[in-house]
Formats: sequence, C-alpha cells, structure tokens
Amino acid sequence: DAEITQSPRHKITETGRQVTLACHQTWNHNNMFWYRQDLGHGLRLIHYSYGVHDTNKGEVSDGYSVSRSNTEDLPLTLESAASSQTSVYFCASSDRAGEYFGPGTRLTVT
Amino acid sequence: GQQLNQSPQSMFIQEGEDVSMNCTSSSIFNTWLWYKQDPGEGPVLLIALYKAGELTSNGRLTAQFGITRKDSFLNISASIPSDVGIYFCAGQPRSNDYKLSFGAGTTVTVRA
Repeated sequence: DAEITQSPRHKITETGRQVTLACHQTWNHNNMFWYRQDLGHGLRLIHYSYGVHDTNKGEVSDGYSVSRSNTEDLPLTLESAASSQTSVYFCASSDRAGEYFGPGTRLTVT
Repeated sequence: GQQLNQSPQSMFIQEGEDVSMNCTSSSIFNTWLWYKQDPGEGPVLLIALYKAGELTSNGRLTAQFGITRKDSFLNISASIPSDVGIYFCAGQPRSNDYKLSFGAGTTVTVRA
C-alpha cells in the first residue's frame, strides 16, 4: 500500500546543531508539505513543493530549508537548531483529494 | 494563510449523542476538508468537499460545503468512545494552489 513515512520519530538535539528530518511518500504525489504543530498555534506551514526542484516558503520558514531532488522525498533541514524549534513536525503529500499526513517527528532542542 | 474560525474549541460527548462543529472564513474556498488527529499521530483525512452545497457522508460522519463557499460543518452521529480526538477543518483557496489553511481544531472528549 502507498504510504508516507517520516524519520526519525523522535529526536533530541542541541542548540546550534544542523538537523535533517526525512519524509518519504510512495503515492507519486507532486505536492509535498512540511508543517509544525505547537499548542495554541495549530498546524503552521513551513515549506512546500509542487514538484521536483520546486520549493516554496510557507508562513514560518525562517531557520528551515528543504530540497526536492526526486518525487518521493522532501527532507527538512534546520540549519542551526534553536529551542524555539522544539515542536512536532508533520510531512504531508497531496493530490486533488486532499493532503495525507505522515506520523510526525517530535523534535526537542536542548 | 487565511484564518479559519473553527468552533467550538472543545466539546464533551456522551456515547450515542450527535455532535456538530463548524468552520467559517472571511474568504471563499474552492475545497473544504475535515481531518481527525489521534494523540501521537498525524491528521487523517475524513471527508473532502469540492462543490458549494455538497453534502458528503463517511459512515457516521456527514459534512457540508456551505453555499457561500465560506463555511463548512461536520456532524458525527451516534458518537462512540473512539470518536475522541482533535478535528480540524481545512480549506484550499484556489484549484491551482494546493496549500491549505487550517482551523485551530475542535477537541472532542468523552464526558465522564
């Protein structure tokens, strides 16, 4: 069955370190998204991509980057992790029927 | 993204009750979606609505795309304990823009 996976599921890192969160989907969707979810803020869009080599900033993109070298993967990189980036991160992909979410990565920056 | 106002913020259900929640926006949307999120998991798509006035069911769930294209509601009939969770509405503003705007969520809890 087609699916979307994220790794790692949990990560603890130190302030200032570079961190990459992986997202892989097997639906062959062109559209992929990264969100963060925090209490009181709901789901906020970080970056998104509508196809290979296409990347766009979302509403909370500062301190994050993405790259899209193939259809299946959209890794999210935190260039220099900050405590404010402690959150739960969700990757999603979509076709016309709506976005399908991964299981999430809980990131703690100490 | 555009602000979606989702209400109520939280609700308590008793098994067997019908419950309802809604989402409104100041802007029109091309598509309305409803998601459910269980603790420790990602949101799961429940229902997608593509046309103004559309009424769609998925088991005990029924959702409608408002005729003004600025609102949507979700009904759960004969609620059961596994209905607890957070329900999110989401809207897609244009057919060629796949980004979604999300409501803040409705937390559904079982009444003790």
